[in-house]
Amino acid sequence: AQSVSQHNHHVILSEAASLELGCNYSYGGTVNLFWYVQYPGQHLQLLLKYFSGDPLVKGIKGFEAEFIKSKFSFNLRKPSVQWSDTAEYFCAVIRNTGFQKLVFGTGTRLLVSP
Amino acid sequence: NAGVTQTPKFQVLKTGQSMTLQCAQDMNHEYMSWYRQDPGMGLRLIHYSVGAGITDQGEVPNGYNVSRSTTEDFPLRLLSAAPSQTSVYFCASRAEQGRTEAFFGQGTRLTVV
Repeated sequence: AQSVSQHNHHVILSEAASLELGCNYSYGGTVNLFWYVQYPGQHLQLLLKYFSGDPLVKGIKGFEAEFIKSKFSFNLRKPSVQWSDTAEYFCAVIRNTGFQKLVFGTGTRLLVSP
Repeated sequence: NAGVTQTPKFQVLKTGQSMTLQCAQDMNHEYMSWYRQDPGMGLRLIHYSVGAGITDQGEVPNGYNVSRSTTEDFPLRLLSAAPSQTSVYFCASRAEQGRTEAFFGQGTRLTVV
């Protein structure tokens, strides 16, 4: 069973549209949560992270994410996307037990049309 | 700072050949990992290490070996390459505690023919 689920595999938006990408995880207990972005032909870069505190976290390039513990979710949002946001987005989770492996979702490929 | 350095960037192998993908980091990170990225499957963990001399298997370890003799280096060995190992491989490192982000290398695109 997939421990980190991203339900949207492909998303196509026009510029200025709002974005929300879903992420759910299946671990109990304390977790650390991340969103990474991979631009075409590049390696993964961190967008934002949540460890504790305010469940609404802000990242780079106008992205934000909200941690809802009761729903085991960490959805990524951006009010107005740009063509340059075309990329693949990965949700990732570290479960704070054992060796604390970083586990990724399957990714969401976003295409923003001008 | 170099961060995480992977070599080579591209490699073509014949079925049955062996090779080593190199990964080095200069951040004194304890945790290092190898992932493979395949379309529609995200990044899957192959092997990881929590410090020199300590390694363990991830989700898809078959056909790969690792060792960690120093903090800086974490090579990934393909013992006998198979077409199913055609993928993009990423090495990542992070500090020991969970409250840290992972830093990724540029990736190695491997094709096995």
